[in-house]
Amino acid sequence: AQSVTQLDSQVPVFEEAPVELRCNYSSSVSVYLFWYVQYPNQGLQLLLKYLSGSTLVKGINGFEAEFNKSQTSFHLRKPSVHISDTAEYFCAVSDQTGANNLFFGTGTRLTVIP
Amino acid sequence: DTGVSQDPRHKITKRGQNVTFRCDPISEHNRLYWYRQTLGQGPEFLTYFQNEAQLEKSRLLSDRFSAERPKGSFSTLEIQRTEQGDSAMYLCASRLDARGTDTQYFGPGTRLTVL
Repeated sequence: AQSVTQLDSQVPVFEEAPVELRCNYSSSVSVYLFWYVQYPNQGLQLLLKYLSGSTLVKGINGFEAEFNKSQTSFHLRKPSVHISDTAEYFCAVSDQTGANNLFFGTGTRLTVIP
Repeated sequence: DTGVSQDPRHKITKRGQNVTFRCDPISEHNRLYWYRQTLGQGPEFLTYFQNEAQLEKSRLLSDRFSAERPKGSFSTLEIQRTEQGDSAMYLCASRLDARGTDTQYFGPGTRLTVL
């Protein structure tokens, strides 16, 4: 089985500052890795994903993440945040075969301060 | 592509009542997933369908829960004899099971409140 740990439940950051949201995972099999964003009272929107290949992946809204296999991490970064980035961010993993259902972390609440 | 839709968006019910939610996936998506998200937590997998076949169920899916996808298109999730602990956001997601596809697209969710 897989599990995901998001180390920070809340991250406040000033507008235009950089941010990193941390994610570590555990799995006995090869996995795919995802970051989703959830705005209030909405479903989840995919930010980016890692399947294979380059360990640095770029997503929407200027976000990027780096897969580190040795540290089993997939941290999300943005060099300069905007007020509109305030939301809940979820890291998730799925196995590469079978059901491919997603295992989510508990989320990180990013609050951008004007 | 109109995205995944869910109905209703909100449901308030009294303990002991039955409720049913509907999910309409993206057309031609043959996989459909149900998740439950409680306050302050990430979504948790409940069950999934490949076309009309329900292939996997989580231990979270008690006997009071049943899901169907009769024609391989829309799906329903029914909760019988609701309990206060069932209060949560119920999310539906769909994806196309084909080589090179891997992304689950989520609907807006149905928020259930059991009084």
